[in-house]
Amino acid sequence: EAQVTQNPRYLITVTGKKLTVTCSQNMNHEYMSWYRQDPGLGLRQIYYSMNVEVTDKGDVPEGYKVSRKEKRNFPLILESPSPNQTSLYFCASSMTGFRTGELFFGEGSRLTVL
Amino acid sequence: AQSVTQLGSHVSVSEGALVLLRCNYSSSVPPYLFWYVQYPNQGLQLLLKYTSAATLVKGINGFEAEFKKSETSFHLTKPSAHMSDAAEYFCAVSDSDTDKLIFGTGTRLQVFP
Repeated sequence: EAQVTQNPRYLITVTGKKLTVTCSQNMNHEYMSWYRQDPGLGLRQIYYSMNVEVTDKGDVPEGYKVSRKEKRNFPLILESPSPNQTSLYFCASSMTGFRTGELFFGEGSRLTVL
Repeated sequence: AQSVTQLGSHVSVSEGALVLLRCNYSSSVPPYLFWYVQYPNQGLQLLLKYTSAATLVKGINGFEAEFKKSETSFHLTKPSAHMSDAAEYFCAVSDSDTDKLIFGTGTRLQVFP
């Protein structure tokens, strides 16, 4: 089954404790992206990748890091989480690129930073 | 840069009633336009997509959207709401300058029996 898998789905952590949210897709997609969803703000892009070893900042990259060492994986790293990073995070992938809009989303990772 | 506005963060309808979710985009140049749906505790999934081939676009689950260039609108409709339609709906527009997809703030649809 074609899917984007994120882990963990739920996480509560404390300020400053490094964490990684993993994302893996099995569709051989070149494009991958991370979004955060906040009430009243919709989805905002954090980072994206157009191919292996190619990553770029989205609209809200501060406090986040990513890497793309393999085509299927695109982990999101919070080196020193802060409460303003409490949010619902989505990983997405696409074969045809973000502008064409056919994104496949994971089920989301709800992060709470205390 | 493109932007998209969804009017109404919450819409409530009775089962069997017409569903109308509004979306307006900023540019006069017809871009790609999309509607995504997010069911509770799930990720977003593509509902339908406008690519200039036809102004009336049919999507999954009986939804459709009409592109109106003169009104810069792409409203989503369904003739008869079903309880299973309760979800959050996002309008999105492609931005050719940045090669990005710009999402609206979402409209939560509630369906009452």
